[in-house]
Amino acid sequence: AQKITQTQPGMFVQEKEAVTLDCTYDTSDQSYGLFWYKQPSSGEMIFLIYQGSYDEQNATEGRYSLNFQKARKSANLVISASQLGDSAMYFCAMRETSGSEKLVFGKGTKLTVNP
Amino acid sequence: SAVISQKPSRDICQRGTSLTIQCQVDSQVTMMFWYRQQPGQSLTLIATANQGSEATYESGFVIDKFPISRPNLTFSTLTVSNMSPEDSSIYLCSVEERLKGGSDEQYFGPGTRLTVT
Repeated sequence: AQKITQTQPGMFVQEKEAVTLDCTYDTSDQSYGLFWYKQPSSGEMIFLIYQGSYDEQNATEGRYSLNFQKARKSANLVISASQLGDSAMYFCAMRETSGSEKLVFGKGTKLTVNP
Repeated sequence: SAVISQKPSRDICQRGTSLTIQCQVDSQVTMMFWYRQQPGQSLTLIATANQGSEATYESGFVIDKFPISRPNLTFSTLTVSNMSPEDSSIYLCSVEERLKGGSDEQYFGPGTRLTVT
């Protein structure tokens, strides 16, 4: 079964608007971590934000925030005030702390910011 | 955050040859990870490399094809052996950093873009 599901292969947003990228996950662990990464066309993986399963508040990092809804098993990424440089692939990932420390990635969402 | 460098950044290789990719971190880390990203796909973990022990390989990856070295806490290599065009991918090393306050962050190197002809 897929552990991380990103249902939006592609998203478009106008510059300066906010956009939400969806991510749902599947785990029976109580302790886990959720990550979002940005991958521009250069190929590097840029860490954006982390949410621990026991964190009561949603994580925020500058223009990025994670809308964590534990009961729904969703961890959507919200990008506020989109910029042209935000155009990239975005990957959601999960690490279950009960097993290995590996990250399991979703298939990604390609975000295009239009001027 | 940890700064990770990889060499080479890209290479074009002939089938049947081998390529060794180096990963250097600017701080000591316990666990290093090697991932593969095939064209248009997501990332898949190849193996976990701990210093002083054999690497742990994920299902579908074997040591003969992807030998890994981890001689110290700041360096690791991944070799892609007897390459075929199906090995054309981006290979990324990654490290985990546990920060004060309990936050876990995992960082990636810039990647090695490999094309096998």
